This record gives sequence, structure tokens and C-alpha cells, in this order.
Amino acid sequence: DGGITQSPKYLFRKEGQNVTLSCEQNLNHDAMYWYRQDPGQGLRLIYYSQIVNDFQKGDIAEGYSVSREKKESFPLTVTSAQKNPTAFYLCASSGLAGELSYFGPGTRLLVL
Amino acid sequence: AQTVTQSQPEMSVQEAETVTLSCTYDTSESDYYLFWYKQPPSRQMILVIRQEAYKQQNATENRFSVNFQKAAKSFSLKISDSQLGDAAMYFCAYGSTDSWGKLQFGAGTQVVVTP
Repeated sequence: DGGITQSPKYLFRKEGQNVTLSCEQNLNHDAMYWYRQDPGQGLRLIYYSQIVNDFQKGDIAEGYSVSREKKESFPLTVTSAQKNPTAFYLCASSGLAGELSYFGPGTRLLVL
Repeated sequence: AQTVTQSQPEMSVQEAETVTLSCTYDTSESDYYLFWYKQPPSRQMILVIRQEAYKQQNATENRFSVNFQKAAKSFSLKISDSQLGDAAMYFCAYGSTDSWGKLQFGAGTQVVVTP
């Protein structure tokens, strides 16, 4: 079945540590996105990539980094510069304009 | 920049009854997409319904329908014959046609379904 997988489901970060969240899709979609969700709020866009080896900052990119070396994969690194990383992180993908946005199951990041 | 506003933090509905969730948005674009997503306790985002702005006909998906008023920039969701499984957070979202995966989300409305 086609879809988006995210791992891990839960992730714990220590102070000063960088952590990487995985996102893989087998939908053959060109575009991939990372969203952050805080309690009681909607989703906010962190980074997005519309094609391999290219990505753009979203609304809240500070303290995050991404790469897009393969069409199927779009990992997100939460760096030590992100001072408030505790949140729920959702990865999404989309094909040609007009197709649906698919979301992964999410990763819950907690700070120790 | 586009903004999406959901003014109802929580709505309660009895089983088999109808509930309407409101959403307004602000944009200067003439063509765009609007979405309603459902997020149950599992936190998986599920697309409920979408509307293309150039279509005047309101979208429907089984018990879910929208009232799209382009001039008023309003996009409400009606859930008919509510079921216990409809209990979730519902988000309204806006997408541009040039990169509609870059969605602007509202803050969400929690739907509570009572037996």
C-alpha cells in the first residue's frame, strides 16, 4: 500500500543535542513538507521541497534543517538552536497540483 | 499572506444530529483550494473534503458537505447524522494553486459527539 511513514513515533532530545526525524513516502510524489503542531494550535509549515536537491523555508524554519537527496525521503533535523522543540511533527507529500495532500502518522518530540 | 480563522474552539452535537463548523479566510488570490481535515485522538490527519475555488458547486462527501461562499471568504463544514466516530479536532486549511501543499491551517474546532 502507498503511504507515508515516519519514525520514530516518540523521540527524546537532551539539551544541546541534534535529533533527526525520518519521513519516507512511496507515493511517487514530487513535493514533501514538514509541519509542526503545538497543543491547541493548527499546523505550521517548517520546510518544504518540491523537487530532489531543492528545498525552501516555511514559516518557522529557524532551528531546523532538512535534506532531499532522494525523492522518497525528506528527513528533518531539529538542531540545538531550536529552543522549544517539544511538539508533534507531521510529514506530508503531494503530487501534481490538484492532488491530495497525504500526511504521515507523526512523531512526538519531547525534551528531557 | 493568507490567514485562516476558526472561531469555534469546541462544538457539541448529539448523535444523529447536524453540526456546522465555521471557517473564514483572507486572501488576494482568485484561485485556490480549501480543505477540511479531521484529526482523531490518534493524531493522524485525515482529509475530509476539499473545494476548488473556481468551482461554484459545493463539495460533498457522504455525510460531509461544505458551504463555500467565495465573496464572503467563508468555508463552513456541515456534518450530518453525526456519529460517535466523528468526534475529533477539525481543521480548515487553505492552499495556493502554485504550491497547494503549503497549507495555512486554522486553529481547529474540537467536535464532541454525545450519545
